[in-house]
Amino acid sequence: EPEVTQTPSHQVTQMGQEVILRCVPISNHLYFYWYRQILGQKVEFLVSFYNNEISEKSEIFDDQFSVERPDGSNFTLKIRSTKLEDSAMYFCARGGDRGVEAFFGQGTRLTVV
Amino acid sequence: RKEVEQDPGPFNVPEGATVAFNCTYSNSASQSFFWYRQDCRKEPKLLMSVYSSGNEDGRFTAQLNRASQYISLLIRDSKLSDSATYLCVVNRRDDKIIFGKGTRLHILP
Repeated sequence: EPEVTQTPSHQVTQMGQEVILRCVPISNHLYFYWYRQILGQKVEFLVSFYNNEISEKSEIFDDQFSVERPDGSNFTLKIRSTKLEDSAMYFCARGGDRGVEAFFGQGTRLTVV
Repeated sequence: RKEVEQDPGPFNVPEGATVAFNCTYSNSASQSFFWYRQDCRKEPKLLMSVYSSGNEDGRFTAQLNRASQYISLLIRDSKLSDSATYLCVVNRRDDKIIFGKGTRLHILP
């Protein structure tokens, strides 16, 4: 059973459109992360979210990106005005009990055409 | 210098052999260290944490050398199912978990 459930598993979108990627944890956790992995490249940190606030973000996570936990359960990553280079696998992860390790969902494959 | 560096491989190793990977990290403030495993087109999965005293989990042994800023993973009696990419992961004090690019391992029958 995955640590978190991500939907959709695959999203195809046209360049310039907005997409929302969703993550639902199995149980309540305080730490969440979003990562992306461009095909054939490394897993890149985007943002960490602690207690419903952004705690850290990378240089990749610019104004095009935003995260929310609108209902205290679902955790979303919004990408505005998508570009071709946003095509990647996006992973949501929840923090471990010690808050230092991460347990990943199965990912959403985003394809921008 | 990259924050986490690994030899990308691939390492092609016969079944039953022992294989070792190293990883170096640049930020001396790093607090926690892990090895993850990633199968092709799948999510990374936590393999084991790495402690200064060294730790073992079955065929897998991980060690941390803080003075030299490297961590290692040793796999004994390798199995075909060990074929994967092994990711070195470092957590700094500020909750930013950084992944290395990974080392690809192919176990040959």
